[in-house]
Amino acid sequence: TQLLEQSPQFLSIQEGENLTVYCNSSSVFSSLQWYRQEPGEGPVLLVTVVTGGEVKKLKRLTFQFGDARKDSSLHITAAQPGDTGLYLCAGVLAGGTSYGKLTFGQGTILTVHP
Amino acid sequence: SAVISQKPSRDICQRGTSLTIQCQVDSQVTMMFWYRQQPGQSLTLIATANQGSEATYESGFVIDKFPISRPNLTFSTLTVSNMSPEDSSIYLCSVVWPGIKNTEAFFGQGTRLTVV
Repeated sequence: TQLLEQSPQFLSIQEGENLTVYCNSSSVFSSLQWYRQEPGEGPVLLVTVVTGGEVKKLKRLTFQFGDARKDSSLHITAAQPGDTGLYLCAGVLAGGTSYGKLTFGQGTILTVHP
Repeated sequence: SAVISQKPSRDICQRGTSLTIQCQVDSQVTMMFWYRQQPGQSLTLIATANQGSEATYESGFVIDKFPISRPNLTFSTLTVSNMSPEDSSIYLCSVVWPGIKNTEAFFGQGTRLTVV
């Protein structure tokens, strides 16, 4: 059973297009994070959201945490080839006792064509 | 933040042999984790490396196959024992740095293992 359902798994778009990646769960998370990973490297943290309804912006990237803290989305405006990579959502289950233990979504491979 | 050095970065190994992966952190951290990842896919947690005690393994992973050492707060090793081609994967170490709700994770660059 996948606790965090991430979609879509693959996204191939042209430079300048907008896109949204979704991360959904039936469980409540105390916090949720988004990572980006390039080939040959480990995942790099982009943002952490902790409050239901929270919206954070990082240049052309907008992250949103659902009101019930069960879902999140990543929206990229005017995508660029440099945005290409594997995007991963990950969260800490609310009420969990395992310090620092993250649950990951399946990942979204984004390819932005020039 | 934390800087994590992981080595080797890649290796090709014969089936039946073992490989030890090292993870060095530039500062003391409480929690270290070992993950496995197929290229282009998500991460699967193998175990939590506990300093001074035995590692805590996730379902499907056992100590005999993936022994872990954690001699101090800056270093850990993961051994992949008696390897088979199914063990071919990327292995990543991770630390959790005190931050927002203690969830900000930093990763090494990974070890790409190919078993032939």
